[in-house]
Amino acid sequence: QKEVEQNSGPLSVPEGAIASLNCTYSDRGSQSFFWYRQYSGKSPELIMSIYSNGDKEDGRFTAQLNKASQYVSLLIRDSQPSDSATYLCAVTSTLTFGKGTMLLVSP
Amino acid sequence: GAVVSQHPSRVICKSGTSVKIECRSLDFQATTMFWYRQFPKQSLMLMATSNEGSKATYEQGVEKDKFLINHASLTLSTLTVTSAHPEDSSFYICSAPRGSNQPQHFGDGTRLSIL
Repeated sequence: QKEVEQNSGPLSVPEGAIASLNCTYSDRGSQSFFWYRQYSGKSPELIMSIYSNGDKEDGRFTAQLNKASQYVSLLIRDSQPSDSATYLCAVTSTLTFGKGTMLLVSP
Repeated sequence: GAVVSQHPSRVICKSGTSVKIECRSLDFQATTMFWYRQFPKQSLMLMATSNEGSKATYEQGVEKDKFLINHASLTLSTLTVTSAHPEDSSFYICSAPRGSNQPQHFGDGTRLSIL
């Protein structure tokens, strides 16, 4: 069974700090990986896609992928209170979701 | 802008009513769409995979006669909650990928409240 594991949190960081969100997956054949952000009461929105090993940066967000370790992470630099949300890791287009990590950024 | 449109955004109705939710891909064709349900403070739960031109695939524990899915065209899937009861009250969300190994794009969700 394909599994995606995330720490449910909450992960609490002060404003301006780096938030690090982690995800592991079980299916070694996975080719595509996604991070979604979900605000309370809203549907998920895509924030990052990553397909190859290494880092991918987009603004304050950096996704990191290590296929050998079956590990994908999301770093948020200069965290803002508006980043407070649940972050969902998803693997492949069939969307095996992790349960999400709640991030709380305090002013 | 939005690439997947979902309507209605909110429904409040009496117990026993059937409710239809529409999910449209706006600028691409989606042979497959997904329907999720999310209860408060819980994670997304995949209910079913909607396949254009064929029967939907339901996840274990989801009643196919209760949650009717129709995917009659490459841009439209509908979910009908038949004879809804208060326990069906939830946040229903659809999604569709642009292509193989592409990310899902989500609709804005439908908040269903059954009185």
